[in-house]
Amino acid sequence: KQEVTQIPAALSVPEGENLVLNCSFTDSAIYNLQWFRQDPGKGLTSLLLIQSSQREQTSGRLNASLDKSSGRSTLYIAASQPGDSATYLCALGGANNLFFGTGTRLTVIP
Amino acid sequence: NAGVMQNPRHLVRRRGQEARLRCSPMKGHSHVYWYRQLPEEGLKFMVYLQKENIIDESGMPKERFSAEFPKEGPSILRIQQVVRGDSAAYFCASSPYTSGGGKETQYFGPGTRLLVL
Repeated sequence: KQEVTQIPAALSVPEGENLVLNCSFTDSAIYNLQWFRQDPGKGLTSLLLIQSSQREQTSGRLNASLDKSSGRSTLYIAASQPGDSATYLCALGGANNLFFGTGTRLTVIP
Repeated sequence: NAGVMQNPRHLVRRRGQEARLRCSPMKGHSHVYWYRQLPEEGLKFMVYLQKENIIDESGMPKERFSAEFPKEGPSILRIQQVVRGDSAAYFCASSPYTSGGGKETQYFGPGTRLLVL
């Protein structure tokens, strides 16, 4: 059974700082790994998707890496902004569904 | 192209009533997924449907919960005789008809927040 852990559960940083969010998983038999953003009371917005054969993906100030052998993924956010404040979820693509972590709640302080 | 639509956005029910949650997938998508997010927890998979077929319902409670995705119209998640523990956010996602499941991007709706009094 896939177990997904995200550390830390919450993180506060001053504006402009670079930061790393971590995701670990127990079963490396995955199709892909996605990072989502969830704003309070809202749905999920897909940020990056890494296929199982890939090592990383980049979009703007975001960079996500995937190391299947160690069961880890990181989401790097450069030059953080107050608008980045949200909960960040990683999700592993299984055969029929996504397995989600519990998220990291990020607060960027102006 | 409208995104995944869910209604109602908020639903209040008293214990013992029925709750019906609707999900209209993105245009051209024939795969629908339902997830539940309990307070302070991550999203948990409930059920995966294609038109007129349930593909995987391994995450759905055996009693009181049912889901359908008819040939015409939205997908419906139905909860009978709701209890306080059913209070949660219910998210629907859809994906196009390629390989389905977790192999491709799923597009999420805004969710339905169910509160059981």
